[in-house]
Amino acid sequence: GIQVEQSPPDLILQEGANSTLRCNFSDSVNNLQWFHQNPWGQLINLFYIPSGTKQNGRLSATTVATERYSLLYISSSQTTDSGVYFCAVDTQGGSEKLVFGKGTKLTVNP
Amino acid sequence: DGGITQSPKYLFRKEGQNVTLSCEQNLNHDAMYWYRQDPGQGLRLIYYSQIVNDFQKGDIAEGYSVSREKKESFPLTVTSAQKNPTAFYLCASSMEYEQFFGPGTRLTVL
Repeated sequence: GIQVEQSPPDLILQEGANSTLRCNFSDSVNNLQWFHQNPWGQLINLFYIPSGTKQNGRLSATTVATERYSLLYISSSQTTDSGVYFCAVDTQGGSEKLVFGKGTKLTVNP
Repeated sequence: DGGITQSPKYLFRKEGQNVTLSCEQNLNHDAMYWYRQDPGQGLRLIYYSQIVNDFQKGDIAEGYSVSREKKESFPLTVTSAQKNPTAFYLCASSMEYEQFFGPGTRLTVL
């Protein structure tokens, strides 16, 4: 099946720093989503981005489908950005069966 | 408010007992999903349903059962056959490609 690898596994930043999280996937995909899991476990949708670039405030994401990777950029990080960031991709068109990476755990210190 | 609700938030059960986790959505989404998350891991798909009265096994369906009698509801039963049921269970729904998640249920088997 499709493999999803996220890097780095852990990231510690000072408030105000910028960061880039990476997601590599082993096959072509029809769906790619980025999520933020907060300390209470809730998964919050950040981006639906099977290709191209999107921005939402301090966050932006780029997916290069032909090269099978996606990047999540966090600028001017805040302590509330802490948590785990997951990348998830689908395995076949139309079924929306997402396969998740193991996540990047981000800690932003004040 | 539109959204996905899961209940209960925390659940404790004794070994050998079956337990049912509730998932309800009022987003009018066709598809619903159950995932399991273990500490420090990504999410793994248990079951999914794309329409009422139909559901498919995911990657780790053994020891679990589901039903989809109504569009709004997709309950998950964790049976005594599930060898390691202690985990965080997340329900999701989608209309086309983007999945949205409920707050989760933490199940502990004593």
